[in-house]
Amino acid sequence: AQKITQTQPGMFVQEKEAVTLDCTYDTSDPSYGLFWYKQPSSGEMIFLIYQGSYDQQNATEGRYSLNFQKARKSANLVISASQLGDSAMYFCASPPTSYGKLTFGQGTILTVHP
Amino acid sequence: GAVVSQHPSRVICKSGTSVKIECRYLDFQATTMFWYRQFPKQSLMLMATSNEGSKATYEQGVEKDKFLINHASLTLSTLTVTSAHPEDSSFYICSAPHYGYTFGSGTRLTVV
Repeated sequence: AQKITQTQPGMFVQEKEAVTLDCTYDTSDPSYGLFWYKQPSSGEMIFLIYQGSYDQQNATEGRYSLNFQKARKSANLVISASQLGDSAMYFCASPPTSYGKLTFGQGTILTVHP
Repeated sequence: GAVVSQHPSRVICKSGTSVKIECRYLDFQATTMFWYRQFPKQSLMLMATSNEGSKATYEQGVEKDKFLINHASLTLSTLTVTSAHPEDSSFYICSAPHYGYTFGSGTRLTVV
């Protein structure tokens, strides 16, 4: 995808509740992939989940799932049962070509309250 | 999984000096490395793509002479910030297109 948009600069959620982080993308390619990363204050980039455009089902990885809606060009990340350790910055990203440079969204800072 | 070792994790240097940041692939080889720069609470912006055995490809607006990138082998890519100034203070992170994308742990550069 050529352009990734995350419109939520900051989100707050209560511990143990679910939260959805929005991501929309803009591409004319029929084949693409979407990644979500978590970046804690330490700065490391932690891979969370991947969705391919041809995947028939929404991706899930433990407490993380993707609400993938191709018609709307959205790939929202759902975190269930939020934990205090989920507080971090989250990025949606996609390469314009397979294994090409990643284009990142603006990011969303998630704060989990006890 | 794949590991990219990035050093140093933090560096403070004086204005006018140069700083070298290394990214080593520990258990794989890669002909490509992406170098990103990130300011606090902002997104990662691609600076350049290093290619083993050839010149790096820089993004528009990135000064080639200031940010020297070298990809001398299939296991090492380096970024040298030359004549650093306070405005170069930032978080720099590398990423290899391997196992999806494997990131280094990042380098926080502070220029005083």
